[in-house]
Parts: sequence; C-alpha cells; structure tokens
Amino acid sequence: AQKITQTQPGMFVQEKEAVTLDCTYDTSDPSYGLFWYKQPSSGEMIFLIYQGSYDQQNATEGRYSLNFQKARKSANLVISASQLGDSAMYFCATLSLGGSARQLTFGSGTQLTVLP
Amino acid sequence: ETGVTQSPTHLIKTRGQQVTLRCSSQSGHNTVSWYQQALGQGPQFIFQYYREEENGRGNFPPRFSGLQFPNYSSELNVNALELDDSALYLCASSSLAGAKNTEAFFGQGTRLTVV
Repeated sequence: AQKITQTQPGMFVQEKEAVTLDCTYDTSDPSYGLFWYKQPSSGEMIFLIYQGSYDQQNATEGRYSLNFQKARKSANLVISASQLGDSAMYFCATLSLGGSARQLTFGSGTQLTVLP
Repeated sequence: ETGVTQSPTHLIKTRGQQVTLRCSSQSGHNTVSWYQQALGQGPQFIFQYYREEENGRGNFPPRFSGLQFPNYSSELNVNALELDDSALYLCASSSLAGAKNTEAFFGQGTRLTVV
C-alpha cells in the first residue's frame, strides 16, 4: 500500500518569490515514481514534474524542481519566481512501477495562493 | 489542453438512479483510468482499463463499473447512486506500452451531484 501526506492545507507566497510545497510518502515498493500535479479551479489535473525512485538527480522542469530525499521519503516541490497564475491546488502522487496497473495514489493537496 | 475529453461536464442525479460518464482518450493512448475526487480531497483510483479489459481496481463497490471500446474511449457507470457519490470524476489516459513514467493526461472532469 502507498500513502502520500501533504501537511500544508494552504500556503501563501508573494509574487516573484519561491515557495516549497511539502510531500512525504510511504511505500513498500522497491521501484516507484513521484508526481506533482496542479489543479486549477477548472478541475483539470495538469502534470508538472516526475521523479523516479532510482533517479540520481533531482528533477527540474522550468520553474519547477523536485527536492527528492529518498532516505527521508520526501518529495517537496519548489516553485521559483511565483506567478499569479500559479494559484491553484497542488497534489503530490506516487505510482508503483512494479505492477501492471497505472494506479496513482494522491495526497490531500495544498492550496497555493500567490499574492500580488 | 491534453486531448482527453469528458462528457458531460456537469450532471445532477437523484439518489438510486444510474449514471454513465464518458471519456475520450488522447490519440495513441491505450489505457484509461478513472478517479473520484470528493470535495476538498485528492483523487482516488476507481479502476483502469487496458485494451478493453479491467486492469486494476481500487476500493470501490461493484456498482461502479466500466467499459473500454476498441477506439480506447471509456465509460464509467454507477448504479444505485448514493449521496456520497457526489464528486468530480476524472478520467486519465496514458500508454502502458511506454515507460511507466509517462504522465497520465487528465480530462477536465465530470462534476456529479446526487440529490
């Protein structure tokens, strides 16, 4: 079984500042992936970034980077130079890479508000 | 936009009724997964279809069922609707032929309200 914990229900950040959204996970799978998704009020889940459990380097995608600390089972998302359009719900999710089904397990999310 | 389309976008049903939600997957994707997202929570996996067969199921009762068609589009059927079935239902398409780290592309969801 897999579990994702996001302890920050809401976060505020000033425009152009950086922000870190926390995510810890619990899994018994030896091989797994970690994802971050953004969900605006429209409802669509937008893929942001992926980290594989065996990847040696932290993933980066433009203004997004994933601070992966395997021993601590954490996968925090860092957003640099926040923009007003970043205001949304953010979900951390994990995926077992050993099974046949593509079953994402999501956390409860963090509502990010970017202030002008 | 991801190319994954869901219909309808909103739906109101009465307790005890049946509902069918539809999803068209992205071109080239052979796998469709369905998720239920209750208000204020993260999505929960319902089931996945791969090449027209159910390929994995979450902790949902049998009144949640699905289909996948030869063109890889999919339906989610819910029988005997309960008030707790009110949620956003998300469809995600992906390709199991590729590496597992290929992201799932989500549609905008169907918001179901059961009264």
